Amino acid sequence: GESVGLHLPTLSVQEGDNSIINCAYSNSASDYFIWYKQESGKGPQFIIDIRSNMDKRQGQRVTVLLNKTVKHLSLQIAATQPGDSAVYFCAERSGGSNYKLTFGKGTLLTVNP
Amino acid sequence: NAGVMQNPRHLVRRRGQEARLRCSPMKGHSHVYWYRQLPEEGLKFMVYLQKENIIDESGMPKERFSAEFPKEGPSILRIQQVVRGDSAAYFCASSPEGAASGEQYFGPGTRLTVT
Repeated sequence: GESVGLHLPTLSVQEGDNSIINCAYSNSASDYFIWYKQESGKGPQFIIDIRSNMDKRQGQRVTVLLNKTVKHLSLQIAATQPGDSAVYFCAERSGGSNYKLTFGKGTLLTVNP
Repeated sequence: NAGVMQNPRHLVRRRGQEARLRCSPMKGHSHVYWYRQLPEEGLKFMVYLQKENIIDESGMPKERFSAEFPKEGPSILRIQQVVRGDSAAYFCASSPEGAASGEQYFGPGTRLTVT
């Protein structure tokens, strides 16, 4: 079965609001957790990653939080824009020398102008 | 520096035919991954290759599917005797040697339709 899953399949927000997308994982051995954005008809686009020994990492308008105690990962998008509308996937990378990714099912984010 | 390239972008095959999907990784990248995506689902890992070696093929169906990443040229995902259930988007990703972060760079995908 899936080792990575998402709590909310869809999320609708107003432009300018902050968005939070959540994800649960089950593999404690994963060494990286990654967020990808996928627009319709395109390949996944890397947003941000976090190493398993960290609990927070910030990028431009995005923050990823990792809670290893409850095996929870979240992506926060500040001041959400219409261009942020897409499906967001969390993924985990197997530990060791195997770099394959295991993806969750995705959350559709819709930003209303 | 061109990104990951995949061709064809769209491929239509009749049941029983063969499908060959090509992936050229980013320049300097020696790790290639193939993923399959069904409509409204996440990406499912299929196979992980390095030059001339299959590292992990745990996600590949045991029959009809094969993959290679030769010393020269693109990586090829080959599906023999396609069936309707093979219809999906197939994405290739690449990463550099060492892969010190979680990032994999994805291509635009090949959308396979089996009629």
